[in-house]
Amino acid sequence: VQLVESGGGLVQPGKSLKLSCSASGFTFSSYGMHWIRQAPGKGLDWVAYISSSSGTVYADAVKGRFTISRDNAKNTLYLQLNSLKSEDTAIYYCARGWFAYWGQGTLVTVSS
Amino acid sequence: DIQMTQSPSSLPASLGDRVTITCRASQDIGNYLRWFQQKPGKSPRLMIYGATNLAAGVPSRFSGSRSGSDYSLTINSLESEDMAIYYCLQHNEYPLTFGSGTKLEIK
Repeated sequence: VQLVESGGGLVQPGKSLKLSCSASGFTFSSYGMHWIRQAPGKGLDWVAYISSSSGTVYADAVKGRFTISRDNAKNTLYLQLNSLKSEDTAIYYCARGWFAYWGQGTLVTVSS
Repeated sequence: DIQMTQSPSSLPASLGDRVTITCRASQDIGNYLRWFQQKPGKSPRLMIYGATNLAAGVPSRFSGSRSGSDYSLTINSLESEDMAIYYCLQHNEYPLTFGSGTKLEIK
């Protein structure tokens, strides 16, 4: 099992970014997937979940601004981040359904 | 939202010690509780699932227990490789919530 995030970077407040999580080593379409973030020097913060049938759930802090999606043909999970705020600055991890597998994370920095 | 109150925030300990970290859930979460270990610059690692079950590859000196709404992670005979930050996670209902973390460090 391997999960590899990408797409992070420096972005201005109010702008958008799209993160990707490329999955391999398992049947991606059969598993729900999570995004979790960790602000610098802080704890873990659950962000969003998408089920194998593409049902979605979000944390209140990102609801209406972030969108989780998946492309089973590409074995890829996505997180669209809109209207970014400085408090969204964090390492963003993807994790497989029951959290036994995590990616290495991708850093998003929101700053002018 | 379910609050997970984790204690202590910092735990100085000596090699060979037995240590316990606790999370208290603000509502019933059954056994939908997981423990993670995170080392600097690394992704979290699942240690315990279902409150009491050891994840694959985790040394047997780690154990999880439950007493009512209190969930504990115990490490017997602490080793240097166990120095890390530990988090609990409730996954009984959304939004999922983590404890605030316990930093285990050498005394």
